[in-house]
Amino acid sequence: AQTVTQSQPEMSVQEAETVTLSCTYDTSESDYYLFWYKQPPSRQMILVIRQEAYKQQNATENRFSVNFQKAAKSFSLKISDSQLGDAAMYFCAYRRFTQGGSEKLVFGKGTKLTVNP
Amino acid sequence: DAGVTQSPTHLIKTRGQQVTLRCSPKSGHDTVSWYQQALGQGPQFIFQYYEEEERQRGNFPDRFSGHQFPNYSSELNVNALLLGDSALYLCASSLPLTYQETQYFGPGTRLLVL
Repeated sequence: AQTVTQSQPEMSVQEAETVTLSCTYDTSESDYYLFWYKQPPSRQMILVIRQEAYKQQNATENRFSVNFQKAAKSFSLKISDSQLGDAAMYFCAYRRFTQGGSEKLVFGKGTKLTVNP
Repeated sequence: DAGVTQSPTHLIKTRGQQVTLRCSPKSGHDTVSWYQQALGQGPQFIFQYYEEEERQRGNFPDRFSGHQFPNYSSELNVNALLLGDSALYLCASSLPLTYQETQYFGPGTRLLVL
């Protein structure tokens, strides 16, 4: 069974600084997707960024980027120029690739990010 | 473009009761997945519905059941509620068979069992 581990229960960062959240996963599959979701206190789970395992290039979305190390099964999220609105729970998630349909997401336990003004 | 909606937002029940939660998928999506998120934990997959049938199921007892309607909306039913069923229940919709398939989440229903 696939597992996702987020070893940092809490992190904090100063506004405008950079922070990196860690995620490791375990799978025997070669094709899969990895995601970072953000869950603010409003509870709505929002997709931050996704990475296809077959792509060597790391995904980026504005101030958010990932460091995907497939051999090490590591998938960290870097947030640059942190803003107060980035404060939230961040969840790393894994999804197996299939040809014919949607697969379940497997989530880590989350990292609570605090942004200090 | 309407996103994923869920109702109700909050619910309080007592042990032994039954509850029904509802989800309307994002416009154009035909697959609905349900997740349970206990306090301080990541979401856990309950089951997924596609073409009005349960396609996948996580490690949840038969007390958890669901349904998908022809308009792709879905219900989650929980019978014989236990205190441990208190959680945030999240619905996610997706459109499989598309290359950039991603699950989009609703705001959740907070269930408290007393």
